[in-house]
Amino acid sequence: QQQVKQSPQSLIVQKGGISIINCAYENTAFDYFPWYQQFPGKGPALLIAIRPDVSEKKEGRFTISFNKSAKQFSLHIMDSQPGDSATYFCAASMVGNTPLVFGKGTRLSVIA
Amino acid sequence: DTAVSQTPKYLVTQMGNDKSIKCEQNLGHDTMYWYKQDSKKFLKIMFSYNNKELIINETVPNRFSPKSPDKAHLNLHINSLELGDSAVYFCASSPPSGTQYFGPGTRLTVL
Repeated sequence: QQQVKQSPQSLIVQKGGISIINCAYENTAFDYFPWYQQFPGKGPALLIAIRPDVSEKKEGRFTISFNKSAKQFSLHIMDSQPGDSATYFCAASMVGNTPLVFGKGTRLSVIA
Repeated sequence: DTAVSQTPKYLVTQMGNDKSIKCEQNLGHDTMYWYKQDSKKFLKIMFSYNNKELIINETVPNRFSPKSPDKAHLNLHINSLELGDSAVYFCASSPPSGTQYFGPGTRLTVL
């Protein structure tokens, strides 16, 4: 049973466009929702994270939208750049230092 | 000033061998993890350690044995390697806030 479902599997966006990746979770005990960015041959790096007490968080070109009632959250990348081309993972975890449960990843390609 | 480091970066070995992967973090975190990333890039938790004590073992075969000599180190020893063990293994650490910092990964190839 997959606890965090991520879509789409792959995404191609024009330079300057908006990239949108969606995730849905099942476990209502989750209270921490990070997004990680991974380049080939590198480890996942934290991009932005949100807790369920807010509905949106913005850091530069990256925004997380969170819908607690629908158990969904999404990542928006504004003004997408070729350097944003990477695999993006949503994740969720519970209170305290519990392991992350990851979505299956989205491979983003930003083309000029 | 690497925060989470792993050695080796690449490991190629024969089936049946025993190998170890080392992880060190200089962030002062109490909690460390091992994750496995398979060929489809799916990341899954294997072990979680808090202050040198095993907290979580996610149905990993007992051929895998983590060892934490101190808070800054979490090593992974694998006995009798199988073809299906080929993957990228990531070490991570976190402070009480829960934000996890990942190492660069070790790509294990079992022939």
